[in-house]
Amino acid sequence: GENVEQHPSTLSVQEGDSAVIKCTYSDSASNYFPWYKQELGKGPQLIIDIRSNVGEKKDQRIAVTLNKTAKHFSLHITETQPEDSAVYFCAAGNNNDMRFGAGTRLTVKP
Amino acid sequence: DTAVSQTPKYLVTQMGNDKSIKCEQNLGHDTMYWYKQDSKKFLKIMFSYNNKELIINETVPNRFSPKSPDKAHLNLHINSLELGDSAVYFCASSLTGFDQPQHFGDGTRLSIL
Repeated sequence: GENVEQHPSTLSVQEGDSAVIKCTYSDSASNYFPWYKQELGKGPQLIIDIRSNVGEKKDQRIAVTLNKTAKHFSLHITETQPEDSAVYFCAAGNNNDMRFGAGTRLTVKP
Repeated sequence: DTAVSQTPKYLVTQMGNDKSIKCEQNLGHDTMYWYKQDSKKFLKIMFSYNNKELIINETVPNRFSPKSPDKAHLNLHINSLELGDSAVYFCASSLTGFDQPQHFGDGTRLSIL
Protein backbone atom coordinates (compact mmCIF):
# COMPACT_ATOMS: atom_id res chain seq x y z
CA GLY A 1 0.00 0.00 0.00
CA GLU A 2 0.96 3.63 -0.34
CA ASN A 3 0.54 6.69 1.83
CA VAL A 4 -2.51 8.87 2.40
CA GLU A 5 -1.88 12.55 3.01
CA GLN A 6 -4.35 14.56 5.08
CA HIS A 7 -4.63 18.35 5.55
CA PRO A 8 -4.85 20.38 7.65
CA SER A 9 -3.42 18.77 10.77
CA THR A 10 -5.37 21.20 12.96
CA LEU A 11 -8.51 23.18 12.19
CA SER A 12 -10.33 25.68 14.38
CA VAL A 13 -13.74 27.07 13.40
CA GLN A 14 -16.53 29.03 15.02
CA GLU A 15 -19.73 27.22 15.86
CA GLY A 16 -22.04 27.33 12.86
CA ASP A 17 -19.24 27.61 10.30
CA SER A 18 -18.26 24.87 7.88
CA ALA A 19 -15.16 22.67 8.14
CA VAL A 20 -13.36 20.97 5.26
CA ILE A 21 -10.67 18.31 5.55
CA LYS A 22 -8.83 17.10 2.45
CA CYS A 23 -7.01 13.88 1.67
CA THR A 24 -5.00 12.58 -1.25
CA TYR A 25 -3.97 9.02 -2.03
CA SER A 26 -1.58 7.48 -4.51
CA ASP A 27 -2.66 3.84 -4.86
CA SER A 28 -4.90 3.64 -7.91
CA ALA A 29 -6.24 0.30 -6.64
CA SER A 30 -7.99 2.09 -3.78
CA ASN A 31 -11.77 1.83 -4.05
CA TYR A 32 -13.04 2.45 -0.52
CA PHE A 33 -12.69 5.73 1.37
CA PRO A 34 -13.99 5.87 4.96
CA TRP A 35 -13.84 8.74 7.43
CA TYR A 36 -13.50 8.17 11.15
CA LYS A 37 -14.06 10.46 14.13
CA GLN A 38 -12.05 9.86 17.29
CA GLU A 39 -13.12 11.49 20.53
CA LEU A 40 -10.86 11.73 23.55
CA GLY A 41 -10.29 8.37 25.21
CA LYS A 42 -12.29 6.50 22.57
CA GLY A 43 -11.58 4.47 19.49
CA PRO A 44 -12.22 5.83 15.99
CA GLN A 45 -15.84 5.64 14.87
CA LEU A 46 -16.98 5.55 11.25
CA ILE A 47 -18.97 8.65 10.33
CA ILE A 48 -19.28 8.30 6.56
CA ASP A 49 -17.72 6.36 3.72
CA ILE A 50 -17.70 6.46 -0.07
CA ARG A 51 -16.82 3.96 -2.76
CA SER A 52 -15.07 4.64 -6.03
CA ASN A 53 -18.20 4.36 -8.14
CA VAL A 54 -19.73 7.39 -6.40
CA GLY A 55 -18.61 11.03 -6.56
CA GLU A 56 -20.45 12.43 -3.58
CA LYS A 57 -22.35 11.21 -0.54
CA LYS A 58 -24.22 13.16 2.10
CA ASP A 59 -25.56 12.32 5.54
CA GLN A 60 -27.25 15.26 7.28
CA ARG A 61 -24.47 17.78 8.07
CA ILE A 62 -21.68 15.58 6.77
CA ALA A 63 -20.71 15.09 3.13
CA VAL A 64 -17.82 13.45 1.35
CA THR A 65 -16.63 14.09 -2.20
CA LEU A 66 -14.32 11.93 -4.28
CA ASN A 67 -12.29 12.85 -7.36
CA LYS A 68 -10.82 9.60 -8.61
CA THR A 69 -8.92 11.19 -11.45
CA ALA A 70 -7.07 13.54 -9.12
CA LYS A 71 -7.01 10.98 -6.28
CA HIS A 72 -8.54 13.51 -3.90
CA PHE A 73 -11.36 13.12 -1.41
CA SER A 74 -12.74 15.56 1.13
CA LEU A 75 -14.93 15.69 4.21
CA HIS A 76 -17.33 18.59 4.60
CA ILE A 77 -19.07 19.38 7.88
CA THR A 78 -21.67 22.14 7.79
CA GLU A 79 -23.23 24.06 10.71
CA THR A 80 -20.51 22.82 13.04
CA GLN A 81 -21.30 22.27 16.70
CA PRO A 82 -18.99 22.00 19.73
CA GLU A 83 -19.61 18.25 19.86
CA ASP A 84 -18.01 17.96 16.41
CA SER A 85 -14.68 18.70 18.11
CA ALA A 86 -12.53 15.58 17.72
CA VAL A 87 -9.73 14.08 15.62
CA TYR A 88 -10.85 13.04 12.14
CA PHE A 89 -9.09 10.41 10.04
CA CYS A 90 -9.46 9.71 6.36
CA ALA A 91 -8.48 6.35 4.93
CA ALA A 92 -8.09 4.80 1.50
CA GLY A 93 -7.82 1.20 0.49
CA ASN A 94 -9.37 -1.92 -0.95
CA ASN A 95 -10.18 -5.43 0.22
CA ASN A 96 -6.54 -6.22 0.93
CA ASP A 97 -5.18 -3.05 2.47
CA MET A 98 -6.19 0.22 4.14
CA ARG A 99 -4.04 3.26 4.89
CA PHE A 100 -4.98 6.06 7.26
CA GLY A 101 -4.18 9.73 7.05
CA ALA A 102 -2.34 11.36 9.94
CA GLY A 103 -5.51 12.92 11.34
CA THR A 104 -7.01 16.41 11.70
CA ARG A 105 -7.77 17.85 15.10
CA LEU A 106 -10.95 19.88 14.69
CA THR A 107 -11.90 22.40 17.36
CA VAL A 108 -15.31 24.08 17.20
CA LYS A 109 -15.44 27.19 19.34
CA PRO A 110 -18.82 28.07 20.89
CA ASP B 1 -23.85 -4.27 24.27
CA THR B 2 -20.25 -3.36 23.48
CA ALA B 3 -19.43 -4.43 19.92
CA VAL B 4 -15.64 -4.58 20.24
CA SER B 5 -14.24 -4.80 23.74
CA GLN B 6 -10.61 -4.90 24.74
CA THR B 7 -8.98 -5.34 28.14
CA PRO B 8 -7.29 -3.92 30.01
CA LYS B 9 -7.96 -0.25 29.32
CA TYR B 10 -4.69 0.77 30.97
CA LEU B 11 -1.50 -1.26 31.30
CA VAL B 12 1.55 0.03 33.16
CA THR B 13 4.54 -2.27 33.32
CA GLN B 14 8.31 -2.46 33.47
CA MET B 15 10.64 -2.73 30.52
CA GLY B 16 11.48 -6.35 29.71
CA ASN B 17 8.16 -7.77 30.90
CA ASP B 18 5.73 -9.83 28.81
CA LYS B 19 2.09 -8.73 28.58
CA SER B 20 -1.13 -9.53 26.74
CA ILE B 21 -4.10 -7.49 25.59
CA LYS B 22 -7.40 -9.24 24.95
CA CYS B 23 -10.00 -8.36 22.32
CA GLU B 24 -13.45 -9.74 21.66
CA GLN B 25 -16.11 -8.79 19.11
CA ASN B 26 -19.76 -9.81 19.19
CA LEU B 27 -20.62 -8.58 15.69
CA GLY B 28 -20.07 -11.86 13.89
CA HIS B 29 -17.34 -10.27 11.79
CA ASP B 30 -14.82 -12.38 9.88
CA THR B 31 -11.82 -10.05 10.11
CA MET B 32 -10.12 -8.54 13.15
CA TYR B 33 -7.22 -6.08 13.40
CA TRP B 34 -4.69 -4.60 15.77
CA TYR B 35 -3.52 -1.01 15.40
CA LYS B 36 -0.89 1.03 17.22
CA GLN B 37 -1.54 4.74 17.77
CA ASP B 38 1.47 6.80 18.77
CA SER B 39 1.58 10.06 20.70
CA LYS B 40 0.99 12.03 17.49
CA LYS B 41 -2.24 10.10 16.90
CA PHE B 42 -0.90 8.28 13.83
CA LEU B 43 -2.73 4.96 13.32
CA LYS B 44 -0.56 2.10 12.10
CA ILE B 45 -1.95 -1.32 11.31
CA MET B 46 -0.05 -4.16 12.93
CA PHE B 47 -2.01 -7.30 12.10
CA SER B 48 -5.24 -8.52 10.63
CA TYR B 49 -6.83 -11.95 10.94
CA ASN B 50 -9.50 -13.50 8.76
CA ASN B 51 -11.09 -16.71 9.99
CA LYS B 52 -8.07 -17.45 12.19
CA GLU B 53 -5.64 -16.95 9.35
CA LEU B 54 -3.11 -14.12 9.35
CA ILE B 55 -3.55 -12.26 6.11
CA ILE B 56 -1.38 -9.21 6.66
CA ASN B 57 1.54 -8.57 8.93
CA GLU B 58 3.13 -5.14 8.79
CA THR B 59 6.79 -4.73 9.68
CA VAL B 60 6.36 -5.05 13.42
CA PRO B 61 8.93 -6.69 15.69
CA ASN B 62 8.46 -10.41 16.23
CA ARG B 63 8.10 -9.62 19.94
CA PHE B 64 4.49 -8.92 19.00
CA SER B 65 2.33 -11.93 18.25
CA PRO B 66 -1.42 -12.08 17.60
CA LYS B 67 -3.32 -15.13 18.77
CA SER B 68 -6.86 -15.95 17.71
CA PRO B 69 -8.53 -18.82 19.59
CA ASP B 70 -11.71 -18.32 17.55
CA LYS B 71 -13.31 -15.90 15.10
CA ALA B 72 -14.58 -13.61 17.86
CA HIS B 73 -11.24 -13.13 19.63
CA LEU B 74 -7.87 -11.70 18.65
CA ASN B 75 -5.41 -11.27 21.49
CA LEU B 76 -2.09 -9.45 21.29
CA HIS B 77 0.95 -10.81 23.12
CA ILE B 78 4.03 -8.68 23.58
CA ASN B 79 7.34 -10.08 24.80
CA SER B 80 10.32 -8.20 26.24
CA LEU B 81 8.56 -4.83 26.32
CA GLU B 82 10.61 -1.80 25.31
CA LEU B 83 10.16 1.93 26.00
CA GLY B 84 9.16 2.50 22.37
CA ASP B 85 6.20 0.17 22.79
CA SER B 86 4.40 2.82 24.83
CA ALA B 87 1.31 3.75 22.82
CA VAL B 88 -2.42 3.16 22.60
CA TYR B 89 -3.33 -0.16 20.98
CA PHE B 90 -6.68 -0.54 19.25
CA CYS B 91 -8.49 -3.69 18.28
CA ALA B 92 -11.01 -3.51 15.43
CA SER B 93 -13.18 -5.77 13.33
CA SER B 94 -14.96 -5.66 9.98
CA LEU B 95 -17.47 -7.90 8.24
CA THR B 96 -15.07 -9.23 5.63
CA GLY B 97 -11.97 -7.33 4.54
CA PHE B 98 -10.52 -3.84 4.65
CA ASP B 99 -13.17 -2.50 2.27
CA GLN B 100 -15.86 -2.67 4.94
CA PRO B 101 -16.44 -0.30 7.88
CA GLN B 102 -14.21 -1.11 10.80
CA HIS B 103 -15.53 -1.11 14.37
CA PHE B 104 -12.91 -0.13 16.92
CA GLY B 105 -12.55 -0.87 20.60
CA ASP B 106 -11.79 1.96 23.00
CA GLY B 107 -8.08 1.18 23.15
CA THR B 108 -5.50 -0.03 25.65
CA ARG B 109 -3.01 2.58 26.82
CA LEU B 110 0.31 0.81 27.37
CA SER B 111 2.93 2.66 29.41
CA ILE B 112 6.42 1.23 29.84
CA LEU B 113 8.39 2.40 32.86
